[in-house]
This record gives sequence, structure tokens and C-alpha cells, in this order.
Amino acid sequence: QSALTQPASVSGSPGQSITISCAGTSSDIGDNNYVSWYQQHPGKAPKLMIYDVSNRPSGVSNRFSGSKSGNTASLTISGLQAEDEADYYCSSHAISSTLGLFGGGTKLTVL
Amino acid sequence: EVQLVESGGGLVRRGGSLRLSCAASGFTFSTYNMNWVRQAPGKGLEWVSYISSRSTTISYADSVRGRFTISRDNARNTLNLQMNSLRDEDTAVYYCARGLHSASVGWYFDLWGRGTLVTVSS
Repeated sequence: QSALTQPASVSGSPGQSITISCAGTSSDIGDNNYVSWYQQHPGKAPKLMIYDVSNRPSGVSNRFSGSKSGNTASLTISGLQAEDEADYYCSSHAISSTLGLFGGGTKLTVL
Repeated sequence: EVQLVESGGGLVRRGGSLRLSCAASGFTFSTYNMNWVRQAPGKGLEWVSYISSRSTTISYADSVRGRFTISRDNARNTLNLQMNSLRDEDTAVYYCARGLHSASVGWYFDLWGRGTLVTVSS
């Protein structure tokens, strides 16, 4: 049961766009469209930002978008704002083993 | 208000046991799959366990299988996690997280509690 692989950190200036990658395998990300992304501010519970690869829950800004190619998913945040500074986690599911997976998390710094 | 509220965390000796609970309100608990997710201090999220809406499907992370038991009481809108043989590495904030409606297919957590801290110490 291996975690998904994310970069430890990314940074960008206000107004810019950044992309966070999430690498899995053919048994999880590559096997289904059940990729989700979570935002977590310090001391707070995670918040769902993207589900099923590219869908946004009600209330989440359209500056957040998701995509997938093969075994790798991506989260793009456009028009960076100071409030976007947080930790971001991807998640997927290994259907064959019914196991849940998270990435190690990416710390986004808005310069 | 739609919410999840965890309880039962605390300080426990290595090798000891603890039972966490999660009280759900504001939605039809019995129709949703549920999960426990934990986060060690300064670390990332780790999925711990899953239980389907009617408890027919249960799964565990390799790190807790055989030591933790997930259960639910749909009449009381409560999710539980019985943790035995606790280890230092089980120290974490434990979150209750709502999964999908039983009629849906997919994998994500759209509602989270604030978490309860479990500290395992010798």
C-alpha cells in the first residue's frame, strides 16, 4: 500500500498559476477516475476542493481545476491569492484492494 | 447543521486501547459510507479505515489491520473506531470523514470533523 507521490512544496506569486502533480500507479489513479484534492490550512480540517478528477464541489472557486493523464493527476490553481497558501493533498482509491490512498502533501507558498 | 464531531481521544499507554466515536448530524447518516483518516503531528493525511453505509464492506490500512476495528450504529448516527495494541506511531489527530452516498460510485471525503487527538506514550 504505497502513498501517492506529490512534490513537497510549490510556490507562486499572487495572480500567477501553479500546478501540483500527484503520481500514482496503474492500480489506483490509472485504474479509475476517483481522484480528489483537499486543502488544509494550519490547525484546520481538510476541505474537499476537487473530486472525480475534475469536478468542483459547490462553493469552491473556479480558480481550482483538476486533470489526469495516465497514472498522474494534477491540481491547477490560477490567479493565486494569499488565502490559497495551505497544504494540498491528493487522494485516490485502489479499487481492487478497497484501500484508500493519500499523497504526502504539498505546501503551497504564495510569495 | 451538517456536521461530524469526534470524541474519545486522549493519552494512552503503548499497548493500550482507546475507542473513538464520531457523532453525525444534519444528514441521513445511514445512507453514507464513512471513513477514519489520521494525521500524525507535522505529517500528512493517512487513510485508516472505511465502512459502507450498512456495514457490509469494511477495509483497513495495512498499518492498522488486525488492531483497529471500525463500526457504526445507524440508529444512533455514530461511527466508532476501536483501537487496540496502540503503538507510538498511532499518535495522530483522527478525523471522521464522510464518504459517498450509498447509491453513488466513487471515492472522496466531502465532510470532515475537527478531529480528536490520540497520543500514545510509554
